[in-house]
Amino acid sequence: GAVVSQHPSRVICKSGTSVKIECRSLDFQATTMFWYRQFPKQSLMLMATSNEGSKATYEQGVEKDKFLINHASLTLSTLTVTSAHPEDSSFYICSALPTGDYGYTFGSGTRLTVV
Amino acid sequence: KNQVEQSPQSLIILEGKNCTLQCNYTVSPFSNLRWYKQDTGRGPVSLTIMTFSENTKSNGRYTATLDADTKQSSLHITASQLSDSASYICVVSGRGGGYNKLIFGAGTRLAVHP
Repeated sequence: GAVVSQHPSRVICKSGTSVKIECRSLDFQATTMFWYRQFPKQSLMLMATSNEGSKATYEQGVEKDKFLINHASLTLSTLTVTSAHPEDSSFYICSALPTGDYGYTFGSGTRLTVV
Repeated sequence: KNQVEQSPQSLIILEGKNCTLQCNYTVSPFSNLRWYKQDTGRGPVSLTIMTFSENTKSNGRYTATLDADTKQSSLHITASQLSDSASYICVVSGRGGGYNKLIFGAGTRLAVHP
């Protein structure tokens, strides 16, 4: 089955530093990937749509300069949280849609803690 | 406005019992509906996916139903196990924008106690 690998699973960083999260489609190509943010006991909130070879599309209220997305290949999208602050601490999840399939596949998530 | 509402918000049942989770949606035009299981600290894992013409679909002890006329879906869990403790998220896909935009429910947090 389609697998999406997300790395790291958990990261702790100091306030003001940047953190990169990787999302890879292991056995399929994904021209489009999605990045979500999830706060405790809440559902996933779409942050942005990552498009291979072009600029990402950000949802309203999401700072594109703070959450940098790069989708340089058909199997890899990265989310970089720049100048992280404690309020950026959250659970970040990526997903992708295998071609010809209805089912979005999610990564296992990244727990970001900014101290 | 496209919305997905789930009930109950949380549920506690004893191991071995059955339970049913509800999902009502107003997404239009409708493409498909998915139920996901999300363990704490993990990404969602697909349980079932149903298109407009499907009324019921099973995956082991999980059975999902869909009534596209009333825009309602349910997820029935049979003979619950401790490992069923998780959040169950109903996700409805609407058409448009070159791909199906997902509308997430807030989820039902299920706790199965011994």
